Amino acid sequence: DGGITQSPKYLFRKEGQNVTLSCEQNLNHDAMYWYRQDPGQGLRLIYYSQIVNDFQKGDIAEGYSVSREKKESFPLTVTSAQKNPTAFYLCASSPIRGNEQFFGPGTRLTVL
Amino acid sequence: SQKIEQNSEALNIQEGKTATLTCNYTNYSPAYLQWYRQDPGRGPVFLLLIRENEKEKRKERLKVTFDTTLKQSLFHITASQPADSATYLCALVLMRGSQGNLIFGKGTKLSVKP
Repeated sequence: DGGITQSPKYLFRKEGQNVTLSCEQNLNHDAMYWYRQDPGQGLRLIYYSQIVNDFQKGDIAEGYSVSREKKESFPLTVTSAQKNPTAFYLCASSPIRGNEQFFGPGTRLTVL
Repeated sequence: SQKIEQNSEALNIQEGKTATLTCNYTNYSPAYLQWYRQDPGRGPVFLLLIRENEKEKRKERLKVTFDTTLKQSLFHITASQPADSATYLCALVLMRGSQGNLIFGKGTKLSVKP
C-alpha cells in the first residue's frame, strides 16, 4: 500500500519541551513538505525539501527544525522557541514541484 | 499585497443542486491552480489541477474553470450529494521563484442537505 504516514495522531507537550513529529512516505517522491493548519486559517508552509540532505524554510519556519537524511523520511521538530505550537500539523509529498501533493493524516499537537 | 480568497466560509445547498465555490487572488501570477477536499481531522485530498493556459477541466461531477484575466477560479460540483459535504481548498502554484510551492486559501465548508 503506497502512501504517506504521520505519527503520532495526537501529541501533548508541556511548555519548554521539544517534540518531534514523524512523516514517512513510500511513494518514491522527491519533494516533501510540512504545513501548519490553525482554525479558520489556510495551510501555512513551515519547511520543504526537494531532495535528500537539502531543505528550505517556508513562510513560518521560526521555532521549527527538520532533517532529510533519507528520501522516505522528513521529521519535524517543534522546539521550545515556537511561541504558539498548538495546531494541526500536516506532512505532504509530491513527485516534482508544482504537482499535486499527497497529504498524511496529520498530527494534532497540544501544548499543556 | 498578495491575497488568495475563497469568498464563502460556508455554503449550504440542497442535495441534487450544483455547488459553486469561488477562489479569487490578487497580485499573484500562478502557473497552476489546484483544488483539494478536506474532511474534519484529516489531511487534504487532491481533486483537480488546472493550468494557466486551460480554461476548464472536468472530472466526473467536478468542473473547474480558471480565468487569469479575472484572477478567479470556480469549482462546481453538479448533482451534489450529502457525501460531498467537506471543506474545499484552492491552492495557487507559483513556479517562478517559489520552487513550485502551494499557497492555500482558507477553504469553503460545503454542507449538502438531503
